[in-house]
Amino acid sequence: NAGVTQTPKFRILKIGQSMTLQCTQDMNHNYMYWYRQDPGMGLKLIYYSVGAGITDKGEVPNGYNVSRSTTEDFPLRLELAAPSQTSVYFCASLGGGWSGNTIYFGEGSWLTVV
Amino acid sequence: LAKTTQPISMDSYEGQEVNITCSHNNIATNDYITWYQQFPSQGPRFIIQGYKTKVTNEVASLFIPADRKSSTLSLPRVSLSDTAVYYCLVGEGDNTDKLIFGTGTRLQVFP
Repeated sequence: NAGVTQTPKFRILKIGQSMTLQCTQDMNHNYMYWYRQDPGMGLKLIYYSVGAGITDKGEVPNGYNVSRSTTEDFPLRLELAAPSQTSVYFCASLGGGWSGNTIYFGEGSWLTVV
Repeated sequence: LAKTTQPISMDSYEGQEVNITCSHNNIATNDYITWYQQFPSQGPRFIIQGYKTKVTNEVASLFIPADRKSSTLSLPRVSLSDTAVYYCLVGEGDNTDKLIFGTGTRLQVFP
């Protein structure tokens, strides 16, 4: 069981560069989420999706974009990377609705912007 | 907004029971309350989930009063390996799909 898979695990970006963090889940979950976690801080919701073709902003969407063309994939795009985007990024998925279900998290992607 | 509030940190000793309370004054009527545990450099992992009253599993108990505006995670007989950050999670108000984590409680267990 792969669960939620994130790539890359580590990446160093220069200021102004762009990149995409990939997230794939093999559980046929409709709901997917992207969180970021700064050192010593809690998780902040960036974007989420309740199904293919549907995305919504979370708490901290600025500087990011997402797409959801398939149920399995939920890539997170960083445009014009800034040092403030240095963080650990977690992708997560949830089967069905929130009520009574649990979230599965990926192992995280460590991003440093220099 | 169903913002959650938890104590920033707690200390305990091995073998003690630890109770961590989370307040969620604006929780939606159909929303569940879930607790997660996070170790450094890892993603959060599920501990327990409940809707009302009391839920117990092999690692913890969750107490939810009738008004559901708060919940208490109870960890019996903690060990050093329980040192972690604990989060309670609810949906954001009526939008239970928008899952917002609180600040979490950093539990330190001492020998």
